[in-house]
Amino acid sequence: DTAVSQTPKYLVTQMGNDKSIKCEQNLGHDTMYWYKQDSKKFLKIMFSYNNKELIINETVPNRFSPKSPDKAHLNLHINSLELGDSAVYFCASSGAGELFFGEGSRLTVL
Amino acid sequence: DAKTTQPPSMDCAEGRAANLPCNHSTISGNEYVYWYRQIHSQGPQYIIHGLKNNETNEMASLIITEDRKSSTLILPHATLRDTAVYYCIVRGHMEYGNKLVFGAGTILRVKS
Repeated sequence: DTAVSQTPKYLVTQMGNDKSIKCEQNLGHDTMYWYKQDSKKFLKIMFSYNNKELIINETVPNRFSPKSPDKAHLNLHINSLELGDSAVYFCASSGAGELFFGEGSRLTVL
Repeated sequence: DAKTTQPPSMDCAEGRAANLPCNHSTISGNEYVYWYRQIHSQGPQYIIHGLKNNETNEMASLIITEDRKSSTLILPHATLRDTAVYYCIVRGHMEYGNKLVFGAGTILRVKS
């Protein structure tokens, strides 16, 4: 069983569209995260939720809206996609210590 | 912002120990040193972490200097599959508000 799973793995879309990436973890963790890795390979935290409550919200355009329907799920919705949104988005979860990452969702905006 | 400094790249011969250094001179007393790695196109993978004592697990050993201003990750017998970007991160432990901030990391190339 995959501990942290993301869907879709690949997403190609046009500028201006709205898209969502879903994340689920089966580790029983309370905290989940979204990270963005751009073409320069830097991993940057975007959001973190603890028990469905937003606890970290970095300087991210408000076109990005995370939603946590329950503590096992953290979805990322992106409105009005721009070319600069092209990146790999990683979901992660943590209990008391280390983070467990998903395999990433590669978003390409044309 | 990352609080650590790592060399941009290192090479290691297959079967030999890989020693990856990290400087974290501004580490505070309650902050841990974490190591993660990212193999090409995969999600980052946790390796090991420590506070002030040396630590060892099935993947690696972590040596932290007495003043805690630097540490070394040791992969005792590197294989080709250990080729990856290795990240050294300083973070408060067991507090959900503490972020894991990634720097540029060290690209380790294991060569046959």
